[in-house]
Amino acid sequence: KAGVTQTPRYLIKTRGQQVTLSCSPISGHRSVSWYQQTPGQGLQFLFEYFSETQRNKGNFPGRFSGRQFSNSRSEMNVSTLELGDSALYLCASSYGTISYNEQFFGPGTRLTVL
Amino acid sequence: AQKITQTQPGMFVQEKEAVTLDCTYDTSDQSYGLFWYKQPSSGEMIFLIYQGSYDEQNATEGRYSLNFQKARKSANLVISASQLGDSAMYFCAMREGDTGNQFYFGTGTSLTVIP
Repeated sequence: KAGVTQTPRYLIKTRGQQVTLSCSPISGHRSVSWYQQTPGQGLQFLFEYFSETQRNKGNFPGRFSGRQFSNSRSEMNVSTLELGDSALYLCASSYGTISYNEQFFGPGTRLTVL
Repeated sequence: AQKITQTQPGMFVQEKEAVTLDCTYDTSDQSYGLFWYKQPSSGEMIFLIYQGSYDEQNATEGRYSLNFQKARKSANLVISASQLGDSAMYFCAMREGDTGNQFYFGTGTSLTVIP
């Protein structure tokens, strides 16, 4: 079974631009979560989608948004990029959102904002 | 209050020795899951082990075991016979409740295995 895939793997943008990251979950998984990881802030939860509905949202500004499609693939968008948005963005999928559903992570997208 | 606390920013262990990585959690739910992940320098998060709140026995997966002490709300990861490839960041995580709650991650512990 193929793992979680994320595209692109690396991205360089300039301040003010917007970016869209993509995540394809493991086949059969309906939950997709997004995380931002930086050396200073650690792993920060962005949002979680389940069956095309946003189930949970972290404490990020409205510039960060996401969506999930009927095939469970998910995208996250960051508008008006800031230098502080430079980070590793990790996507994780799970079968469901029950406490015993482990998450499996993709390789991440490393975003650099210049 | 922090949901997951990992108090050891960095740990060192001699190759072939065992090491314990600490994790405490905070929840008022009766049903919850506890997880450990490994993140090598490559960046990918690797799922290691799971412990359910109702599980009476400690979880084990190969060289990994989870020392679950429910009353103390601790879920320590024990790695036996450490290998050089175990050098990585280790994250403890929790998901509460029966449905719909997010994962909470700790700040991680950096483990270095010394030859």
